[in-house]
Parts: sequence; C-alpha cells; structure tokens
Amino acid sequence: QVQLQESGPGLVKPSETLSLTCAVSGGSISGNYWSWIRQPPGKGLEWIGYIYYSGSTNYNPSLKSRVTISVDTSKNQLSLKLRSVTAADTAVYHCARHHDYGAYDAFDVWGQGTMVTVSS
Amino acid sequence: EIVMTQSPATLSVSPGERATLSCRASQSVSSDFAWYQQKPGQAPRLLIYGASTRATGIPARFSGSGSGTEFTLTISSLQSEDFAVYYCQQYNNWPRFGQGTKLEIK
Repeated sequence: QVQLQESGPGLVKPSETLSLTCAVSGGSISGNYWSWIRQPPGKGLEWIGYIYYSGSTNYNPSLKSRVTISVDTSKNQLSLKLRSVTAADTAVYHCARHHDYGAYDAFDVWGQGTMVTVSS
Repeated sequence: EIVMTQSPATLSVSPGERATLSCRASQSVSSDFAWYQQKPGQAPRLLIYGASTRATGIPARFSGSGSGTEFTLTISSLQSEDFAVYYCQQYNNWPRFGQGTKLEIK
C-alpha cells in the first residue's frame, strides 16, 4: 500500500525558509492530488496547499504569499517550501494523499509527520 | 471562508456506551465532509468521507450522518481503542478542519 515519509530539518531560524520533502512509496505519485497539512503542538489541523502530479497547485489563502509546493515525478516525491518563517510556523508537517482524485477532497493516506521548530 | 465548529470540546463516555460527536459548518458544504481519528503521536486516520461513507477498514460501529451544515459522528459501542481526538473536515471549498473533540474514558 502507499506510504508517505516526510523529511527535512527539524530546526529552522526565524525569517529563513522551511524546506521539506515527502517521499511516496508503494505506488505512483501520478494520477493523484497531494497536500501538505500542519499541526502546531497541542492544536488542530491546518491545510497548507495541494499539488496535482502534473504540477498544478492551490494554496491556503492565509499562507499563499509564502508557500511553494512542487512535485518531482521521476523521484516520486513532493516538496514544500515556506518562506519567512516565524515561531507561529512551528508544527508537525504532514503530507497526505487526496482520497478520491479530487482537488478538494478528504485525505486517506498520511505521512507520520515531521516536527519543525522555528527558533534562533 | 467556511468555519467548522465541533462540539463538545471534550466528551466523557464509558466503554460500551454510545458516543455522539457534532460538527457544524458556517455555510453549506453539501456532503463534502469527512471525519478523522487521531491518537497521540500519530497521523490522523480517515474514518468517514462523503459525510456517511466509511473509509476502507473502518469498523461498522463508526457511522456518519448529515449534510449541508450539520454533521454527526456516532460510535455505537465504544472500545478502548476509540478514545482519541476526532476532527471534522469540509472539502467543499479549500479544506478546513474543526478544532477537534477529545473523546475520553468516563
């Protein structure tokens, strides 16, 4: 079955860029939409944005000016870049697969998540 | 922007009893609605999509109902592994989640 694994630095300095990768295994990245979702410690879930395997994207309006999501089909992975981070961006970052091939959809496969702390 | 409001924030129920969790959307989301279960240190798990369809492998004791703005998740007979935090999500527009309901053992 499809599995997702996030990776990247666990500590990022304020004002710098957070960069994460999500490796897809057990299936192809093609044909699906994929999202990044984050969860601050002890808080709820916030959708960051999605990417289709073809490269089309859509982002949470509150983060749109700072976010870029990209896909590399040859490596079967997607990536997240979040610029100008502050302490408010400290969270567990998950990648997730859209359930029913829709742009706006439920998420049926999740990565375990990677904790990113923004601190100097 | 569609706001999702879950109630109650915490629900205390005894094992074997029924639990009913609610979620309200600030405007209609049709049936573009899902429920998730999250245990500490784990990723959320999809329970229900399309407001009432169980995801693959989800036990029949979990059921979802509602459409438009009012939704309910019912767990018919609580098992020990069901005590967790539950989130609702709409995907009629860009995805938004509720703030969660913590289901705890009474």
